[in-house]
Amino acid sequence: EDQVTQSPEALRLQEGESSSLNCSYTVSGLRGLFWYRQDPGKGPEFLFTLYSAGEEKEKERLKATLTKKESFLHITAPKPEDSATYLCAAAYSGAGSYQLTFGKGTKLSVIP
Amino acid sequence: DSGVTQTPKHLITATGQRVTLRCSPRSGDLSVYWYQQSLDQGLQFLIHYYNGEERAKGNILERFSAQQFPDLHSELNLSSLELGDSALYFCASSVGGLAGLETQYFGPGTRLLVL
Repeated sequence: EDQVTQSPEALRLQEGESSSLNCSYTVSGLRGLFWYRQDPGKGPEFLFTLYSAGEEKEKERLKATLTKKESFLHITAPKPEDSATYLCAAAYSGAGSYQLTFGKGTKLSVIP
Repeated sequence: DSGVTQTPKHLITATGQRVTLRCSPRSGDLSVYWYQQSLDQGLQFLIHYYNGEERAKGNILERFSAQQFPDLHSELNLSSLELGDSALYFCASSVGGLAGLETQYFGPGTRLLVL
């Protein structure tokens, strides 16, 4: 069964304490791996798309990496405004043209 | 503000009823995607339309249907509603229809409560 699993479910960090969020996937024919940020009661906000193993992308304090089995979202020196739920999603070949599966997210809390 | 609009913001209805959710994509975007988000299932992809045609289908129930109109707005119809259909329904849009790989911009969502 095609799956996307995120860990940990929740993470509390002190301001400035760097860490990583994990997204492991077991899908056939990965086409792209997405990272989104979601604030409570709002729609997800796009962060990154990664297409192939070894690819890395950065934006401010965030850096996303991809291997053949998982993706990491590294957060360097986080600030309280980075508190949100981070979602990853895999787009892959499936019935019809493609399928898209989301993980259940990691809820990040950054404490001042 | 992503530029994607959804109406209504909130909807309360009863089991067995039918509702229609509406989405207007960002100006210039040709693709519309629908998602359901519940506490236990997380965010689930339902369906993708590109320029009026169905492009991909995810975990959409047979009781649900969608369409995209010539002016590119989209509607998601939910019928024979059950308690378990209570969720946040998001619409997203993107410029093209490249097999789900394009950057998607999400709307604010419609919160549906089925009593």
